[in-house]
Amino acid sequence: DVQMTQSPSSLSASVGDRVTITCQASQDINKYLNWHQQKPGKAPKVLIYAASNLETGVPSRFSGSGSGTDFTFTISSLQPEDIATYYCQQYEILPYTFGQGTKLEIK
Amino acid sequence: QVQLVQSGAEVKKPGASVKVSCKASGYTFTSYHINWVRQAAGQGLEWMGWMNPNSGNTGYAQKFQGRVTMTRDTSISTAYLEVSSLRSDDTAVYYCAREGRILELPKGLDVWGQGTTVTVSS
Repeated sequence: DVQMTQSPSSLSASVGDRVTITCQASQDINKYLNWHQQKPGKAPKVLIYAASNLETGVPSRFSGSGSGTDFTFTISSLQPEDIATYYCQQYEILPYTFGQGTKLEIK
Repeated sequence: QVQLVQSGAEVKKPGASVKVSCKASGYTFTSYHINWVRQAAGQGLEWMGWMNPNSGNTGYAQKFQGRVTMTRDTSISTAYLEVSSLRSDDTAVYYCAREGRILELPKGLDVWGQGTTVTVSS
């Protein structure tokens, strides 16, 4: 199985900060990586698909980059409503696998 | 709008089975795979498997082989997940998710159901 190593596991930042989360795959997954946001008690919601494509309706402060094994997710200016847990997920190789999540908190 | 609506919460005893439904609307049900993902309380997301609603073909994570069955009823655009021989560690929220695409680009899991809580307790 493809192991997805996501870091950090938790992050505390201030409103307006630039926030970066990384995800490393144990083998080449091309560009087939999603970033999902999950708020407490809610279903996950995709923000970025195919590593760098912004899902329709998602604010432009969210972005993603990378290919192969190394990927980055960025929030350019943190807003209070961005408090959530973020997961990377690869869909190149079955079984699909998720990173362990990054819990984002406001400082 | 595109959405997946799941059935309500379930409480089951150890050893029993549970069947969760996922009704699709707003798109052609048979054109996109349905995946199932579960999440235990305070834990991360765990992929369980996929189903092609057109052919009925399925693929399951090794961990769930022999205990999980994914089926569908195309006449009502509904996918089903059945888990048998339930144990306490199957207590979790179970999500269905569509595997989308845009033109020829796969989008991965792009639409999620609201989740179904399954509690296994004696």
